[in-house]
Amino acid sequence: GNSVTQMEGPVTLSEEAFLTINCTYTATGYPSLFWYVQYPGEGLQLLLKATKADDKGSNKGFEATYRKETTSFHLEKGSVQVSDSAVYFCALSDFTGGGNKLTFGTGTQLKVEL
Amino acid sequence: KAGVTQTPRYLIKTRGQQVTLSCSPISGHRSVSWYQQTPGQGLQFLFEYFSETQRNKGNFPGRFSGRQFSNSRSEMNVSTLELGDSALYLCASSLDPGQKYEQYFGPGTRLTVT
Repeated sequence: GNSVTQMEGPVTLSEEAFLTINCTYTATGYPSLFWYVQYPGEGLQLLLKATKADDKGSNKGFEATYRKETTSFHLEKGSVQVSDSAVYFCALSDFTGGGNKLTFGTGTQLKVEL
Repeated sequence: KAGVTQTPRYLIKTRGQQVTLSCSPISGHRSVSWYQQTPGQGLQFLFEYFSETQRNKGNFPGRFSGRQFSNSRSEMNVSTLELGDSALYLCASSLDPGQKYEQYFGPGTRLTVT
């Protein structure tokens, strides 16, 4: 079956540091890939997406490239802010078996300090 | 455009009781999915509805059920509640069930079973 593996957290960075959160996936078909962010006490917010190989998703300074050859979708940001502190989830979506189902990684908690 | 709304936001129930959670999708969205989030199991897919039909179902016992109405609003029901059902229940809507369509999440319903 499908699965998503994320790097373990928590990740603690200083403000303006470079961020990378690794994500790899296993899928039988050709999935779409997503990054979601969850702030304390809230639901998930879509951060970015990519629907085919070599697509780059970007939003709010965050970027991720769909790498089919390495089955990866790593999240990067050049300069993090304290307001980026949250839990980040990598997810894949495929239509196998009908219907749209998201499979999530375990989440990576990011803490950004001044 | 208003986002996904879920009611109630918080709920406390006793073991053995049943509960109904409600979800109103973004206007124009026809697909609604439900997920359970717990610290131990992470985010797990429950089921997806489109045009009042369940298109996909996760690996949960039959105590978990749902339905979708003609206006795309959805409800999920959990009968004979167990302590392990304590979780954040998230509803997500998308324009269409195709895998390239991103899912937008509501704030969730926090269910506590005592």
